[in-house]
Amino acid sequence: DIQMTQSPSSVSASVGDRVTITCRASQGISSWLAWYQQKPGKAPKLLIYAASSLQSGVPSRFSGSGSGTDFTLTISSLQPEDFATYYCQQANSFPPSFGQGTRLEIK
Amino acid sequence: EVQLVQSGAEVKKPGESLKISCKGSGYSFTSYWIGWVRQMPGKGLEWMGIIYPGDSDTRYSPSFQGQVTISADKSISTAYLQWSSLKASDTAMYYCARQMSIAAAGTGYYYYGMDVWGQGTTVTVSS
Repeated sequence: DIQMTQSPSSVSASVGDRVTITCRASQGISSWLAWYQQKPGKAPKLLIYAASSLQSGVPSRFSGSGSGTDFTLTISSLQPEDFATYYCQQANSFPPSFGQGTRLEIK
Repeated sequence: EVQLVQSGAEVKKPGESLKISCKGSGYSFTSYWIGWVRQMPGKGLEWMGIIYPGDSDTRYSPSFQGQVTISADKSISTAYLQWSSLKASDTAMYYCARQMSIAAAGTGYYYYGMDVWGQGTTVTVSS
């Protein structure tokens, strides 16, 4: 299985900050990477697929980049509703696997 | 509105069987894979397996192969996840989700995003 490692595991930031979360794959996955947001007690929500494609309805302050083994999710200007846990998921090899999550907290 | 609605919370004893459901509406249920994801208390997401309701093609993560059974009844637009003998370690939240996919070489697929999620079903297994 492909292992997905996210960093940092948690990050504290303020409203208006720019935040970047990194996801590294244990082997190359081309651009087959998705990002999800999960708020406490809620189902995950798809933000980005194919590394950089914004899912319909997701605010443009979210962006994704990368290919191969290294990927980033960037939130350009944090809003109060963005404080949540973020997961990456690879789709290049079966089974699709998630990273361990990055918790984004209010500073 | 495209949605997946899951069955309610379950409390079971070890050794009991269980089948939870996920009903789709607002889209062609037979045209998209449905996947299942486990989230143990306070932990991350784990991809369990997937089914294509159109022909019941089912694929399991090796970690869950033999531990659960995924099925679907396309006549009522419902997918299922079942256990024959629950363990305490099956205590978790279980989500179904519509899986976006594109054909890959051979008989494979790239399952490149889960775009519609159910609300989750909490399963508690305790004696």
